[in-house]
Amino acid sequence: QKEVEQDPGPLSVPEGAIVSLNCTYSNSAFQYFMWYRQYSRKGPELLMYTYSSGNKEDGRFTAQVDKSSKYISLFIRDSQPSDSATYLCAMRKINAGNMLTFGGGTRLMVKP
Amino acid sequence: EAQVTQNPRYLITVTGKKLTVTCSQNMNHEYMSWYRQDPGLGLRQIYYSMNVEVTDKGDVPEGYKVSRKEKRNFPLILESPSPNQTSLYFCASRTAGRADTQYFGPGTRLTVL
Repeated sequence: QKEVEQDPGPLSVPEGAIVSLNCTYSNSAFQYFMWYRQYSRKGPELLMYTYSSGNKEDGRFTAQVDKSSKYISLFIRDSQPSDSATYLCAMRKINAGNMLTFGGGTRLMVKP
Repeated sequence: EAQVTQNPRYLITVTGKKLTVTCSQNMNHEYMSWYRQDPGLGLRQIYYSMNVEVTDKGDVPEGYKVSRKEKRNFPLILESPSPNQTSLYFCASRTAGRADTQYFGPGTRLTVL
C-alpha cells in the first residue's frame, strides 16, 4: 500500500463549480502538507503549503488538513478552464530533510 | 528571472551508455532534489541535497548518482542506464528557510532503449 493515496480521476466539472480534491495518508509522521499544480508538459508548481490541522485560504484555493483522519483536501471555488491540470498532494515528515512523498495526482478538467 | 533549468529536455539513449542530466538554479537555494515521474506512480524522489557536498537518498536511488560540488548545480548521473529508467525527470530547488517555496525545472524526458 502506498503511503499517500490520491484518486487519479479524471475529474470533469463545469466552469464555476466548486472542486474538491483529496488525499489520504497512512503515516502519522507526516506533518507538512503541500498541493502542487502541474500543467501538461510542465513541471509542478507549488500552490499551497500547510503545517497544522485546519484551513488555509489563498484566493480561490482552500487547503484543509485533518491529521486525526489522515486526510487532506484542496478546494477550488469558481473553477475556471485554466484550472484544468493535474493536482498533486505532497507530504513531509519532521526532521526528514527535504524528503517529500507525493500522491499519484488527480487530473482535473474544467469545461467552459 | 528565477528559474531551474535542466538539460537536455529530451534524450533517447541505449542501455549501458552513461549519461548526465544537468540541473542549475539561479536563486541561491540550499536544497535541491531529483524526482522521476511515471504514470500511476506519481513523483518519486531519487536524491536530494541540503547543501554543497551534502546529499541523501530518496525513495528510488538505485541506478542513479548525484553530486553537489557547487551550490547552483546538481547533476543526475546514470552510469549504466536500463530501460526501466525510462521516465520523466524533474529537478527542484528551494531555500532552506522557506519550506513553502519549491521551484521545479521543466523536466527531462528520457528514453532508454
